[in-house]
Amino acid sequence: GDSVTQTEGPVTVSESESLIINCTYSATSIAYPNLFWYVRYPGEGLQLLLKVITAGQKGSSRGFEATYNKETTSFHLQKASVQESDSAVYYCALDDTNAYKVIFGKGTHLHVLP
Amino acid sequence: EAAVTQSPRSKVAVTGGKVTLSCHQTNNHDYMYWYRQDTGHGLRLIHYSYVADSTEKGDIPDGYKASRPSQENFSLILELASLSQTAVYFCASSEPGASAETLYFGSGTRLTVL
Repeated sequence: GDSVTQTEGPVTVSESESLIINCTYSATSIAYPNLFWYVRYPGEGLQLLLKVITAGQKGSSRGFEATYNKETTSFHLQKASVQESDSAVYYCALDDTNAYKVIFGKGTHLHVLP
Repeated sequence: EAAVTQSPRSKVAVTGGKVTLSCHQTNNHDYMYWYRQDTGHGLRLIHYSYVADSTEKGDIPDGYKASRPSQENFSLILELASLSQTAVYFCASSEPGASAETLYFGSGTRLTVL
């Protein structure tokens, strides 16, 4: 079946440092799934951070970027300079165009030190 | 602003007892979902619904029932709670039809079964 593997946390970085959270996927039910990053801030529900539906394209939001790489089946999340407010749990996910089949990674807990 | 509201925020239940988790959405979305998250796992789909008065089994439905009495409300019922059902539960909604549907999540219910 489909699966998503992402960096195991927790990940701790200092403010203004760069960040990369790795995400690789395996999609057996569809060749080119839609790819997502969701974020869960403390005390809140998950919310969409960014999504990319076309292979080769890049999505960006709040200073974060991720590029859909179909050759390496990866969708790594990057940010050049993190802030303390970025501390949260980040989830990589894919779907096969039917939302009820969204597959989530285990989540990566990010701690940003002031 | 559209929202998904879950209640209660946290609950302690006894083994063998009945637990009902409630979810209310003001998104006017047709699809609603219940996920659970355990440490070391991604979100896993329990039940979902695409129309009132109808529910569908997700990937891990055993031990759970769902009820969708209206478009806005979706409940998850544990008839005989067990220790293994201790987890954080998330409700979500989405609107199908657009490419790459975004899931809108509630803030979660932390359930502890003793």
